[in-house]
Amino acid sequence: QVQLVQSGAEVKKPGASVKLSCKASGYTFTNYLIHWVRQAPGQRPVWMGWINAAYGNTKYSQNFQGRVTITSDTSASTAYMELNSLTSDDTAVYYCARSIYGCDYWGQGTLVTVSS
Amino acid sequence: DIVMTQSPDSLAVSLGERVTINCKSSQSLLYSPNNKNYLAWYQQKSGQPPKLLAYWASTRESGVPDRFIGSGSGTDFTLTISSLQAEDVAVYYCQQYYGGLSFGGGTKVEI
Repeated sequence: QVQLVQSGAEVKKPGASVKLSCKASGYTFTNYLIHWVRQAPGQRPVWMGWINAAYGNTKYSQNFQGRVTITSDTSASTAYMELNSLTSDDTAVYYCARSIYGCDYWGQGTLVTVSS
Repeated sequence: DIVMTQSPDSLAVSLGERVTINCKSSQSLLYSPNNKNYLAWYQQKSGQPPKLLAYWASTRESGVPDRFIGSGSGTDFTLTISSLQAEDVAVYYCQQYYGGLSFGGGTKVEI
């Protein structure tokens, strides 16, 4: 069965970086985009960017351009998202999701807390 | 960026009643070469990731009950729950995938 399993919760100080992972199984990793989406409590989901695992090309939201990097390791069927220069506004649950049209499978989410 | 606007923000209905959620995009989501609307609907329950209900505005995802009906084209879309069940209590989001992704503000459905 299709699964996206994300890395565990993180606590970071302001100004630090965080790198999250998303391991895919149960399907051909390179046949789908992997998106990263974050959601603060009580807020709508916010798209951060995607990676085309087949070619390694990426597209980022302008809201995060310059601060986010999405990569993948096709041999490990794993996608990564690194976010730099963290502030308290980056406290949220971060999800990975696969898509061709719409996001049909999601990871369980990773809580990132930014606090001094 | 494409801005998605949903209405209402919340609604409370009785079991078995019809629910209508509206979604408007700041630009057309209809791609003329394939005549498809790049619009999806999601259901999100507390503590869970969003669940895909429909894509291409009206194509129901596998396993989704047929009481969930997506419609609309261009910039105006609707999700209808024909007869609300207790398990449908959730927040519903529309999402465009025409250019990147962006989500509506959500509609909270309560009984």
